[in-house]
Amino acid sequence: SQQGEEDPQALSIQEGENATMNCSYKTSINNLQWYRQNSGRGLVHLILIRSNEREKHSGRLRVTLDTSKKSSSLLITASRAADTASYFCALAYTGANSKLTFGKGITLSVRP
Amino acid sequence: DAGVTQSPTHLIKTRGQQVTLRCSPKSGHDTVSWYQQALGQGPQFIFQYYEEEERQRGNFPDRFSGHQFPNYSSELNVNALLLGDSALYLCASGWAVNTEAFFGQGTRLTVV
Repeated sequence: SQQGEEDPQALSIQEGENATMNCSYKTSINNLQWYRQNSGRGLVHLILIRSNEREKHSGRLRVTLDTSKKSSSLLITASRAADTASYFCALAYTGANSKLTFGKGITLSVRP
Repeated sequence: DAGVTQSPTHLIKTRGQQVTLRCSPKSGHDTVSWYQQALGQGPQFIFQYYEEEERQRGNFPDRFSGHQFPNYSSELNVNALLLGDSALYLCASGWAVNTEAFFGQGTRLTVV
């Protein structure tokens, strides 16, 4: 399968703690993106990291990409109850233009 | 600036009927992609339109068809609806040269 595999499937943490989510894939990619989805509605783009990049930051988010291990991690620092959502890893393959291949997602619950 | 808008929000159809879903892309975007998201799963790519032509297609039967208009808006048509077509249908817009996608809130289709 060309979709990413996210780990863990579900994560429950206390407000203020950090949340780490992982995504692994099998075939070389052009870039990897993380999206958030609240209550089964539209997806919100969080961050994009290209295959020649190793780390990117955006506010409380930090994404790393290890192309040798074909894996990525999304770190949310100082989590808030509002971070409760489903998080998806989306893969963009070289030559596939704008098509995105999504994993099954990670359910994050942040307890107040 | 309005983001990606989809209509209708919810829809209930009977098995065997046909349905049309609509999407207006974010201002300035020229590419529209459609995704199907079953409950508890990640979005699955249906097809993508650019310059009024279908540029890529996922693993969906010919019952799924689409159209892009000169103003970049798009329609998704599904014929001969099956119970398994019940899902959240997401529209995403972007630029042809950039893979970052902006999603609408989706249309929840229920086939009974």
